[in-house]
Amino acid sequence: DAGITQSPRHKVTETGTPVTLRCHQTENHRYMYWYRQDPGHGLRLIHYSYGVKDTDKGEVSDGYSVSRSKTEDFLLTLESATSSQTSVYFCAISDPPGLAGVKDTQYFGPGTRLTVL
Amino acid sequence: RKEVEQDPGPFNVPEGATVAFNCTYSNSASQSFFWYRQDCRKEPKLLMSVYSSGNEDGRFTAQLNRASQYISLLIRDSKLSDSATYLCVVRPFTGGGNKLTFGTGTQLKVEL
Repeated sequence: DAGITQSPRHKVTETGTPVTLRCHQTENHRYMYWYRQDPGHGLRLIHYSYGVKDTDKGEVSDGYSVSRSKTEDFLLTLESATSSQTSVYFCAISDPPGLAGVKDTQYFGPGTRLTVL
Repeated sequence: RKEVEQDPGPFNVPEGATVAFNCTYSNSASQSFFWYRQDCRKEPKLLMSVYSSGNEDGRFTAQLNRASQYISLLIRDSKLSDSATYLCVVRPFTGGGNKLTFGTGTQLKVEL
């Protein structure tokens, strides 16, 4: 268990409303990521963070923003949700690859199922 | 062309069978390679890393062919519990926040 939780686990919202998803880790991993998973597309990176207040865009960042004010929390915000943002959202954590004693993997949270009506 | 391509399946095999999955990647400079497993409605989890020399973990064997930009996963003596989606994953380059590129997955169903 990598000590990563996501909230909420399920959410139904309406088009145009703001939505914030939270990822929380207890393991002090440096890197955090937000992905979305859709049929036929697999996991696609939305945004990632390589430290507190250090974030960068992934391949599908339009319509999303993130914030990381503490090591343990990474927030994903949909400023104005659209139906195309209906998806399963996964948060992941990792350390820089090559660190001694650290497993080279990303650990994923349980996911948030978001439906935008 | 997708960066990582996999046959989506499903592969339906009887228990005890040997099954192989293949994956191709487009970036010849890719650094590291992995297989992840994802159970239905669950999060992905690392199954194994893939090394140039090939590596084995129990019933699972992974191979990498850099010249052909091809990765494979062999599962011997399939179990019902192996039913899942197997994701081929590539780290395109070093640095850059340890970003990974995921294939869309190959679905395996092991049947009695």
